[in-house]
Amino acid sequence: QKEVEQNSGPLSVPEGAIASLNCTYSDRGSQSFFWYRQYSGKSPELIMSIYSNGDKEDGRFTAQLNKASQYVSLLIRDSQPSDSATYLCAVGTGGGNKLTFGTGTQLKVEL
Amino acid sequence: GAVVSQHPSRVICKSGTSVKIECRSLDFQATTMFWYRQFPKQSLMLMATSNEGSKATYEQGVEKDKFLINHASLTLSTLTVTSAHPEDSSFYICSASGGGEGYGYTFGSGTRLTVV
Repeated sequence: QKEVEQNSGPLSVPEGAIASLNCTYSDRGSQSFFWYRQYSGKSPELIMSIYSNGDKEDGRFTAQLNKASQYVSLLIRDSQPSDSATYLCAVGTGGGNKLTFGTGTQLKVEL
Repeated sequence: GAVVSQHPSRVICKSGTSVKIECRSLDFQATTMFWYRQFPKQSLMLMATSNEGSKATYEQGVEKDKFLINHASLTLSTLTVTSAHPEDSSFYICSASGGGEGYGYTFGSGTRLTVV
């Protein structure tokens, strides 16, 4: 069974803090990894993609991938109330671009 | 770039009727499109994968005769929910892939289907 697991939360952080979101996956053949943000009632929006081990930074967001440990994380620096949403981890395996999604972590950034 | 348009955004239909949802890639050619369903407070569940010009591949447990998918061109895929029932009420979202890293995995805005 190919699975992607996330803590459902909610994860509460104060405004300006660093939010750390984690995701583990079971299929060692996974090759592509994505973080999506989903506001209530809306469709997911791509935040980050990462394909190789290490860190990838884009603005306030940093994705971290460790294939040996089969985890991928997302760090959000200087968290803002507008970052409050559900963050979905998605993992792609092989060709065909099919993604498996985690259940999402709800993030709440408090004033 | 990489814009996916999905229509309608909301639809209410009577039980037993059919509903068609359209997904269009506006600025790229989508060789592959995916259809997802999301129930409240749950994650996205892949229903089927469609490739332009060929039959869709359905995930286990998804009735292909109930959820008809057509991907007749590189910019348009449609999902038709046939003989809809209240349990089909859900948030349906399409995703289009152009095959390259820069274009992959763009989602449409979703369709909220309510069957009464």
